[in-house]
Amino acid sequence: IAGITQAPTSQILAAGRRMTLRCTQDMRHNAMYWYRQDLGLGLRLIHYSNTAGTTGKGEVPDGYSVSRANTDDFPLTLASAVPSQTSVYFCASSDSGVGYTFGSGTRLTVV
Amino acid sequence: AQSVTQPDIHITVSEGASLELRCNYSYGATPYLFWYVQSPGQGLQLLLKYFSGDTLVQGIKGFEAEFKRSQSSFNLRKPSVHWSDAAEYFCAVGADGSARQLTFGSGTQLTVLP
Repeated sequence: IAGITQAPTSQILAAGRRMTLRCTQDMRHNAMYWYRQDLGLGLRLIHYSNTAGTTGKGEVPDGYSVSRANTDDFPLTLASAVPSQTSVYFCASSDSGVGYTFGSGTRLTVV
Repeated sequence: AQSVTQPDIHITVSEGASLELRCNYSYGATPYLFWYVQSPGQGLQLLLKYFSGDTLVQGIKGFEAEFKRSQSSFNLRKPSVHWSDAAEYFCAVGADGSARQLTFGSGTQLTVLP
């Protein structure tokens, strides 16, 4: 089934630990995105990639890094997790402005 | 920079009643506008989008939205709500006149009463 796969589905992480959220798409979309969703704030863009080999910062990039080594994968890394990074993280992809396809999300709790 | 406002945090309607969810945007040029729906524990699903042309756009699940440039609005409507429509709804605007890097509103939670 075409779409986006995110892993893990949920995670409890100790503060200070490093964590990578995985995102893989099989639609060959050029652009990929990471958003975080927090109650009352909607979705906020963390990082994006318009094409393989390029990345850019979104609205809330601090504490996060991304890479885009190929078209399909767009991992998000928290170098040293803090409690304020507790959130639901969504990966999305798009191609030619037809709108995003979203993954089902990763629920991250930092304690 | 673009922005989106959804003034209603929570709306409750009875099943079979009509629905209108409000969305106001701020953007200097012609925007690319979207409505998404999120069911509990799920990702977001695209309901409809507006890029240009006819200002009344039809989407999936019987939803429609009307782009009104004079009011900077893109309100979502449905003539008769079903219990399965209970979800959170997000309006979004495309950054820099494109459909990439969407800016989302804070969402409207819809409750449907039997």
